[in-house]
Amino acid sequence: KAGVTQTPRYLIKTRGQQVTLSCSPISGHRSVSWYQQTPGQGLQFLFEYFSETQRNKGNFPGRFSGRQFSNSRSEMNVSTLELGDSALYLCASKQGASTEAFFGQGTRLTVV
Amino acid sequence: TQLLEQSPQFLSIQEGENLTVYCNSSSVFSSLQWYRQEPGEGPVLLVTVVTGGEVKKLKRLTFQFGDARKDSSLHITAAQPGDTGLYLCAGEAGNQFYFGTGTSLTVIP
Repeated sequence: KAGVTQTPRYLIKTRGQQVTLSCSPISGHRSVSWYQQTPGQGLQFLFEYFSETQRNKGNFPGRFSGRQFSNSRSEMNVSTLELGDSALYLCASKQGASTEAFFGQGTRLTVV
Repeated sequence: TQLLEQSPQFLSIQEGENLTVYCNSSSVFSSLQWYRQEPGEGPVLLVTVVTGGEVKKLKRLTFQFGDARKDSSLHITAAQPGDTGLYLCAGEAGNQFYFGTGTSLTVIP
């Protein structure tokens, strides 16, 4: 069974640009959550999607948005990038009622 | 808001020593997970504990969930260099995971 796949693995963007990250969950998993990880703040929850609907949202500005497709794949978009958005972005998938979340390898975003 | 506090934040020990990492909160969680993360990679799930007072063993790792489901501990016996990594606890509440601050463990050969 394939694990959670995130693309791209690495990304360098310029301040002010926008970026889209992709996450393909484990087959059969309908929940996808996104996290931002930085050395200073640790792992911060961005949002969770379940069956194409946003079910939970963390405390991030509106520049951070996401969506989920009918095949459970999810994308996360960040507009008007700031230097502080540089981080490892992780997605995790789980089955609807499962307590276990499985993470992808992450996308390392660097904003210059 | 950081709901889960881990201690210690950093730990450097010699191979063969024992160690315990703590994960504490004032909140009650329906379940608690422990992950290990290596640099540049995503966290890898080690264990899930669900019942208050539950103890789970994974080879040299022993995980315990507090009776009130507010805290947890991870004990490693005879640490090995392969145990090096960032250990994260995560509590589940309301379909959301709240991650701890992390414990960076270095095991010196």
